[in-house]
Amino acid sequence: GEDVEQSLFLSVREGDSSVINCTYTDSSSTYLYWYKQEPGAGLQLLTYIFSNMDMKQDQRLTVLLNKKDKHLSLRIADTQTGDSAIYFCAEGIRGSYIPTFGRGTSLIVHP
Amino acid sequence: DAGVIQSPRHEVTEMGQEVTLRCKPISGHDYLFWYRQTMMRGLELLIYFNNNVPIDDSGMPEDRFSAKMPNASFSTLKIQPSEPRDSAVYFCASSSLEDPSRTGELFFGEGSRLTVL
Repeated sequence: GEDVEQSLFLSVREGDSSVINCTYTDSSSTYLYWYKQEPGAGLQLLTYIFSNMDMKQDQRLTVLLNKKDKHLSLRIADTQTGDSAIYFCAEGIRGSYIPTFGRGTSLIVHP
Repeated sequence: DAGVIQSPRHEVTEMGQEVTLRCKPISGHDYLFWYRQTMMRGLELLIYFNNNVPIDDSGMPEDRFSAKMPNASFSTLKIQPSEPRDSAVYFCASSSLEDPSRTGELFFGEGSRLTVL
């Protein structure tokens, strides 16, 4: 199976919270990343969390990491139409700068 | 810095033709990656270079695909001959071990959308 798994689609109403989930398999992961891809553009790092952290908050974004279950989530509060994009979960391992990407979750925000 | 620059942004070609995609990484970055993105398979790592040397090309789908990095500021991905199933968006990305944040962040170009008829 894939090393990093995430659901392919998520649809939310504008103003609601979005939660995008991801599971990974490598327990030696050092960094867990969330990249955002807007339509017609390349991926851009949105946020990341070190593996020794449980949570990271950055304005409307909250990242939760459960190392025991190898589960990562990205919560976007007060989701806006501008948040519509594909969100990629990725894991990185100490000593390697080659992240492993999931297939991406398409977030659709409707009025 | 202008970021990772890819060309062309769009290419439409006929089956059997040669396609060359180009990438200029961020100055000072020592890793360069080529990815392919399709609806069916998501984001696939094709090949990556470290200090201009190909390190892992196990993701290159067939011998029709080749990649070169003649110097630190330029890389090409070539498909010869092209086939309709090669239609995809091809991304180049670069990163640096000297990245101050030490997070291994990849910086992506805007991609080259290839359509093979």
